[in-house]
Amino acid sequence: EDQVTQSPEALRLQEGESSSLNCSYTVSGLRGLFWYRQDPGKGPEFLFTLYSAGEEKEKERLKATLTKKESFLHITAPKPEDSATYLCAVQATGGGADGLTFGKGTHLIIQP
Amino acid sequence: SAVISQKPSRDICQRGTSLTIQCQVDSQVTMMFWYRQQPGQSLTLIATANQGSEATYESGFVIDKFPISRPNLTFSTLTVSNMSPEDSSIYLCSVGRRGIGELFFGEGSRLTVL
Repeated sequence: EDQVTQSPEALRLQEGESSSLNCSYTVSGLRGLFWYRQDPGKGPEFLFTLYSAGEEKEKERLKATLTKKESFLHITAPKPEDSATYLCAVQATGGGADGLTFGKGTHLIIQP
Repeated sequence: SAVISQKPSRDICQRGTSLTIQCQVDSQVTMMFWYRQQPGQSLTLIATANQGSEATYESGFVIDKFPISRPNLTFSTLTVSNMSPEDSSIYLCSVGRRGIGELFFGEGSRLTVL
């Protein structure tokens, strides 16, 4: 069974204080690892897809990296508007389903 | 990216009734999924909506409770049948194109069952 574990559950940072969110996963075969941002009352907003170990992707203050067992979402010099829940999900190879298995998310608060 | 419209955005329903949620996409997509997000929880995949054939359900979800239709490549419906308070959740539609590693979500339909 595919599993995704995110840590920490919650993180409070000061504006400008860089940090990383962790996503560890267990999957029979990885087709893709996805990162989303979710604001309260909204649907998840797509950020990145990573496919293979060593891959990195960046968008503004966010950088996602991938190893064979985990992914990190690095947040550099965050701003209050980066406050949100960040979700990690995996898409597995094989079988008939292409849907995602999600972790429980990291609730990030950036204080001014 | 795709523009996804879900209706209704929210509803309050009585126990024992059924509600149908619609998902409309502004362009043709090969993949459509339905997820549930219970209060304070992450997303759980309910089923894959297959165009022109029966949906593929995940463990713990059955067609009698969550019938799904997908008549074409831009539209799908999810019905929550014989509702109980435990069905109070946000239901989300997700779409993507096979071979392109991006999956997008609608804004969700917030369902409260009394």
